[in-house]
Amino acid sequence: SQQGEEDPQALSIQEGENATMNCSYKTSINNLQWYRQNSGRGLVHLILIRSNEREKHSGRLRVTLDTSKKSSSLLITASRAADTASYFCATDLSGGYNKLIFGAGTRLAVHP
Amino acid sequence: GAVVSQHPSWVICKSGTSVKIECRSLDFQATTMFWYRQFPKQSLMLMATSNEGSKATYEQGVEKDKFLINHASLTLSTLTVTSAHPEDSSFYICSASGQSYEQYFGPGTRLTVT
Repeated sequence: SQQGEEDPQALSIQEGENATMNCSYKTSINNLQWYRQNSGRGLVHLILIRSNEREKHSGRLRVTLDTSKKSSSLLITASRAADTASYFCATDLSGGYNKLIFGAGTRLAVHP
Repeated sequence: GAVVSQHPSWVICKSGTSVKIECRSLDFQATTMFWYRQFPKQSLMLMATSNEGSKATYEQGVEKDKFLINHASLTLSTLTVTSAHPEDSSFYICSASGQSYEQYFGPGTRLTVT
């Protein structure tokens, strides 16, 4: 079963612009993670934010987490054509199960 | 970071045959391995969780007799798709976690059943 909804489903922007993707989930979590997937490839882990954290940065990535609204956002600043990929949020459910439940994903296209 | 490999990276098989996919943790001991399936332009769906030396736990709706999972060692898990049919064509991805509980993903195996 899928835990999360992501929006938008697809996003098309120009190089240099910022890209924002949102993720909502339904149940209590230990942490929320964001992954990138290039077409037909495996997953690349981008960032993990724990349930007691509100914001985290990594390079051009900024992730926020609002546990009261059960939502998270991923911001990619100054996007590049190489950022073109699908982006997924994944929630690690509380209770020690260590199961990741993935959202539907956002397909990002960055045009030169 | 930890490395997880999958073999083969792609496979084509005829309907009715069985296919085995291997998932290996190359530089750490994986106490738990996960198998996911991904259809084109869709998200990853967790199929099953396997702990070394134990029977796999399957997610609701996943046929355990069709998708056989073996996790006989701390570095190897296998997924066997039995009596494959065209609707089983998909991208299969494994992940592995050790004591840190962080999951490390393999590069995926693309299965095409003709």
